[in-house]
Amino acid sequence: ELKVEQNPLFLSMQEGKNYTIYCNYSTTSDRLYWYRQDPGKSLESLFVLLSNGAVKQEGRLMASLDTKARLSTLHITAAVHDLSATYFCAALPSAGAGSYQLTFGKGTKLSVIP
Amino acid sequence: ETGVTQTPRHLVMGMTNKKSLKCEQHLGHNAMYWYKQSAKKPLELMFVYSLEERVENNSVPSRFSPECPNSSHLFLHLHTLQPEDSALYLCASSQVSMGVTEAFFGQGTRLTVV
Repeated sequence: ELKVEQNPLFLSMQEGKNYTIYCNYSTTSDRLYWYRQDPGKSLESLFVLLSNGAVKQEGRLMASLDTKARLSTLHITAAVHDLSATYFCAALPSAGAGSYQLTFGKGTKLSVIP
Repeated sequence: ETGVTQTPRHLVMGMTNKKSLKCEQHLGHNAMYWYKQSAKKPLELMFVYSLEERVENNSVPSRFSPECPNSSHLFLHLHTLQPEDSALYLCASSQVSMGVTEAFFGQGTRLTVV
């Protein structure tokens, strides 16, 4: 059974600072996803990481994937208040039973303070 | 309309009521999902319909009953719910073929059981 763990679960950071959210998963996974959720809203897809060493960047967010370590990171550069949200990582197991069923981490609630 | 739409957005129901949640996707995807998001637990996959196959989480109580009449529509029928079933219910869709695209989520139905 695929398990996904994120840390930290809560993150309070000052504007302008950098920080990294970590996502570990327990078994072989082909694909890793990052989502953002604002309070009371649905999940918005941020990144899809498909292979070892994949790196994607959008604005102040950069996501990477290390399949050997079973680790993905979401790096925040020079945080701004608008980035305050809950960030989820999710993984798909490699081909086989349930290979299209996303397993989510618990989420990291990010608060960016002035 | 585009994307994944869910109705109603908010629902308050008594424990003896019967109601249904509706989800419609306009993305041409061939897999649809129901997720439950509550304050105390991570996103929980309830049901998947993919390529006309239904997969369910065995921990979901029988008072939740899904229906997928075609690849664009998904329902969740609710009856004799309990207060602990109060949560945000999210519908999602994805394309399952050689690989799997990321899941696109609807806005969710905020369910309160009284």
